[in-house]
Amino acid sequence: DQQVKQNSPSLSVQEGRISILNCDYTNSMFDYFLWYKKYPAEGPTFLISISSIKDKNEDGRFTVFLNKSAKHLSLHIVPSQPGDSAVYFCAASASGSARQLTFGSGTQLTVLP
Amino acid sequence: GAVVSQHPSRVICKSGTSVKIECRSLDFQATTMFWYRQFPKQSLMLMATSNEGSKATYEQGVEKDKFLINHASLTLSTLTVTSAHPEDSSFYICSARLGGFYTDTQYFGPGTRLTVL
Repeated sequence: DQQVKQNSPSLSVQEGRISILNCDYTNSMFDYFLWYKKYPAEGPTFLISISSIKDKNEDGRFTVFLNKSAKHLSLHIVPSQPGDSAVYFCAASASGSARQLTFGSGTQLTVLP
Repeated sequence: GAVVSQHPSRVICKSGTSVKIECRSLDFQATTMFWYRQFPKQSLMLMATSNEGSKATYEQGVEKDKFLINHASLTLSTLTVTSAHPEDSSFYICSARLGGFYTDTQYFGPGTRLTVL
């Protein structure tokens, strides 16, 4: 049973527009959520995170929104740039589990020039 | 800040040999490090959780005698693939946990591509 789901395997966006990546989770024990960006044959790069005590966190062009009642989070990138093209993973963790991460399956974002 | 390095980045070895991969947190101390494996076009699979000064905790289906983990210091964890076989060929990635008051983030190394001939 996938506890963290990214239902869109791919997304294409025009440069300068907003990219919205979505993620759903089922485990109500998750209280910390992260987004990573990954290129082939490289380790994931941390982008932004959010604790369950918040519903929004912003860092530059990246904003993460958390809707706990819907068990849904999203990553907004604005404006999108060609260099943002990569696979984006959302991940979740729960306290008391050594903060092990449960990853979604990833979404390939392509930003078209 | 929060940089994690891995060495080597790529290794090719003969079947039956052992390979050691190092994971270092360069600018922070990590009481917990994690080892992952990534298969082509798949997400990361957690292999084990490595705690400094104690035995690693392995995920179900991961052979602890096959994948030896040592976390000797707060900045170094090693993964040794013993008696490697072609099916062990994969991309291995480590991460180090950096915790704070409202943050608890894993920072990942660049990965190690292992090819067993």
